[in-house]
Amino acid sequence: QSVLTQPPSTSGTPGQRVTFSCSGTNYNIGRNFVYWYQQLPGTAPKLLIYRNNQRPSGVPERFSGSKSGTSASLAISGLRSEDEGDYYCATWDGNLSSLVFGGGTKLTVL
Amino acid sequence: QLQLQESGPGLVKPSETLSLTCTVSGGSISSSDYFWGWIRQPPGKGLEWIGNMFKSGTAYYNPSLRSRLTISLDTSRNQFSLKLNSVTAADTAFYYCASHKVDYYYSYMDVWGKGTAVTVSS
Repeated sequence: QSVLTQPPSTSGTPGQRVTFSCSGTNYNIGRNFVYWYQQLPGTAPKLLIYRNNQRPSGVPERFSGSKSGTSASLAISGLRSEDEGDYYCATWDGNLSSLVFGGGTKLTVL
Repeated sequence: QLQLQESGPGLVKPSETLSLTCTVSGGSISSSDYFWGWIRQPPGKGLEWIGNMFKSGTAYYNPSLRSRLTISLDTSRNQFSLKLNSVTAADTAFYYCASHKVDYYYSYMDVWGKGTAVTVSS
């Protein structure tokens, strides 16, 4: 059971916009930055979003993040087949004094 | 450009100690900008944060692993290590090392190694 809650799967067609949700509490998302990671099949995770909505250098603008209260979202616009993989949210939990992940959402591009 | 590479045994016997090393290139583990730490992923499952350490020796550990876990830094070799005692089959996973960029009071993983598979079995 993950501390952060993510739906297990989602899907979309090429060109579509898809969103991923991540739900937490006032101990974690409610008071700390949220980070998003992309894990393509057979590869290590890669940082997509930091500080809720900032993109590292090299991450396309079609990836965007937001946070409101104890929830956060990741959006991918202009969906591509190469976006297929797993997406994880993460943040610090002050109650656990630990970084925590969501269970991950598997994206299928139809 | 930071690069990280994990190394260590791929097979560990139950009740023994899992030991992994991460070699850092393109940057120094003595940097004030980073913690250095570990994440694991059991087969077919999600990511689990293990812990990290700063150059000062300040460390943060996953509470569920704290009693069995040691992370250490070797500045002379620009490496950091993970030791997990008394392993069981539940510790079988892909283990990743990662730089954790300091961000206000906390840190987040920004550069990851490619990972290494560890199986716990007799």
